[in-house]
Amino acid sequence: DQQVKQNSPSLSVQEGRISILNCDYTNSMFDYFLWYKKYPAEGPTFLISISSIKDKNEDGRFTVFLNKSAKHLSLHIVPSQPGDSAVYFCAASEANFGNEKLTFGTGTRLTIIP
Amino acid sequence: EPEVTQTPSHQVTQMGQEVILRCVPISNHLYFYWYRQILGQKVEFLVSFYNNEISEKSEIFDDQFSVERPDGSNFTLKIRSTKLEDSAMYFCASSDRDSVYEQYFGPGTRLTVT
Repeated sequence: DQQVKQNSPSLSVQEGRISILNCDYTNSMFDYFLWYKKYPAEGPTFLISISSIKDKNEDGRFTVFLNKSAKHLSLHIVPSQPGDSAVYFCAASEANFGNEKLTFGTGTRLTIIP
Repeated sequence: EPEVTQTPSHQVTQMGQEVILRCVPISNHLYFYWYRQILGQKVEFLVSFYNNEISEKSEIFDDQFSVERPDGSNFTLKIRSTKLEDSAMYFCASSDRDSVYEQYFGPGTRLTVT
């Protein structure tokens, strides 16, 4: 049941350049999307989110873009820093009262090359 | 900065034994969750809890599982009779009323069933 897909298991980017992580979803009921970052032996850390009524949300170096018609979202990190090396998970919610669960993708391991 | 804490960090148990995983959510949060991640797989939703009752549970969350908020600060997950396939990282998460879908995760408990 792959409702949220991250098709790139890994990505390497030079320090200072832009990192673009992609996520696709199939469930048209998803209404709220999030990106989490995870270091080994730690829990996922919330990074940024976007509601389906928007197509872009920005927070410092992180920007999330949502293309609802294509059921696609992306996370842009610019400029990329060595501390950004981690596994990034896309997650989605149907955003109904009583249904707050998050459905996660399989993750993309981002490596920033100094 | 407030954070979700979990104990123990690692629990080893024999098949058939009961385990209790403990979590202290962020203090002003009202929504609580358990997720798990089997090695090499995606993070999966188990259960959500609000207003002292389960609001949603997944197919994984069968009769062997239960959750409880025994006091004003702790949130526990009990597995009554552990199976080998219960071996996973278990993450507790919490969120507040104003941004329910932005869930903050604890560091996880690694459960190993032998």
